Amino acid sequence: KAGVTQTPRYLIKTRGQQVTLSCSPISGHRSVSWYQQTPGQGLQFLFEYFSETQRNKGNFPGRFSGRQFSNSRSEMNVSTLELGDSALYLCASSLRKSYNEQFFGPGTRLTVL
Amino acid sequence: GENVEQHPSTLSVQEGDSAVIKCTYSDSASNYFPWYKQELGKRPQLIIDIRSNVGEKKDQRIAVTLNKTAKHFSLHITETQPEDSAVYFCAASMKGGSQGNLIFGKGTKLSVKP
Repeated sequence: KAGVTQTPRYLIKTRGQQVTLSCSPISGHRSVSWYQQTPGQGLQFLFEYFSETQRNKGNFPGRFSGRQFSNSRSEMNVSTLELGDSALYLCASSLRKSYNEQFFGPGTRLTVL
Repeated sequence: GENVEQHPSTLSVQEGDSAVIKCTYSDSASNYFPWYKQELGKRPQLIIDIRSNVGEKKDQRIAVTLNKTAKHFSLHITETQPEDSAVYFCAASMKGGSQGNLIFGKGTKLSVKP
């Protein structure tokens, strides 16, 4: 079974631009969660999508948004980029059952200049 | 909301020694506590998890203990090997983690010296 994939793997943007990241979950997994990883703050939960609906949301500004498609693939969008948005963005997929493992993708490294 | 604190932030041990990483959580409703290992440049991978109705769980050289009353849980690695060197993250979640919103500690960088 193929693992979680994310594209692109690396991205360089400038302040004020917007960016869209993509995540393809493991086949059969309908839940996709997004996390931001930085050296200072560690891994922080952004939001979770299940059945094309956002089910949970972390404490991030409205510039961070996402969506999920009928095939469970998910995209995350960040508008009006700030220097502080530079981070590794990880998505994780799961079956959304209790005590079920979340499988992480390799991440997208976003650098904002 | 839930807050998870993790200590120490760095840990250096000699090969063959044991390593212990401790986490505390704030929300008594949390009932699922996974541990992830992240090697340099790689994705986090689950190494062990524990449910709130269990006090201890072992998997070969790795064990996790949970004290619900004190709201803390710990990862124990015995007979450490150089390949155990990585960053370890603890996490907590409600509803068995089924809602995808793991709240992570800030990580412990473990270095195992040969």
